[in-house]
Amino acid sequence: AQTVTQSQPEMSVQEAETVTLSCTYDTSESDYYLFWYKQPPSRQMILVIRQEAYKQQNATENRFSVNFQKAAKSFSLKISDSQLGDAAMYFCAYRSADGANSKLTFGKGITLSVRP
Amino acid sequence: KAGVTQTPRYLIKTRGQQVTLSCSPISGHRSVSWYQQTPGQGLQFLFEYFSETQRNKGNFPGRFSGRQFSNSRSEMNVSTLELGDSALYLCASSSLGLAGAAGEQYFGPGTRLTVT
Repeated sequence: AQTVTQSQPEMSVQEAETVTLSCTYDTSESDYYLFWYKQPPSRQMILVIRQEAYKQQNATENRFSVNFQKAAKSFSLKISDSQLGDAAMYFCAYRSADGANSKLTFGKGITLSVRP
Repeated sequence: KAGVTQTPRYLIKTRGQQVTLSCSPISGHRSVSWYQQTPGQGLQFLFEYFSETQRNKGNFPGRFSGRQFSNSRSEMNVSTLELGDSALYLCASSSLGLAGAAGEQYFGPGTRLTVT
């Protein structure tokens, strides 16, 4: 079974600064997807970024980028130029590349606060 | 495209009652997954439906069931409610199975169920 671990329950960042959220996972599969989701106080889960395991290049979406280390099974999220609207809970998630399985395995999440 | 919709948004039930939650996926998506979110257990996978068939199931008791209709709308039912069933129930729609689609999951706003 796959597991996802987010060991930091909370983090804080100054507005306009950069913050990195950590995530590690465990799997015996060679092909899979990794995701970061954001859940603001409204509770709406929003997809932030996706990484395919077979791609060596790290994914980037505007101010969000990942550092994917497949051998180390590490998948961190970097938020640059942090904004007040980035304050939320962030979840790291794993999905098998098996086309018959949509199941996401989530980490416990990390609460990010942004100081003005 | 309209996003994933869930009804009702809030629900209060008494122990022993049953409840039905509804989810309408993004147009064209055939995969619908359900998750339970609680402060103690985090996000846990309940089940996934694809083209009206349950394709995957999480580790929940038989009191939790679901179904999917021909228009891809899905319902989940919880019978004989227990206090521990109080949670945010999230539905996710996925493009998995569609040609060329990466299969990201897009979440609805959730149904907040309170059992008293």
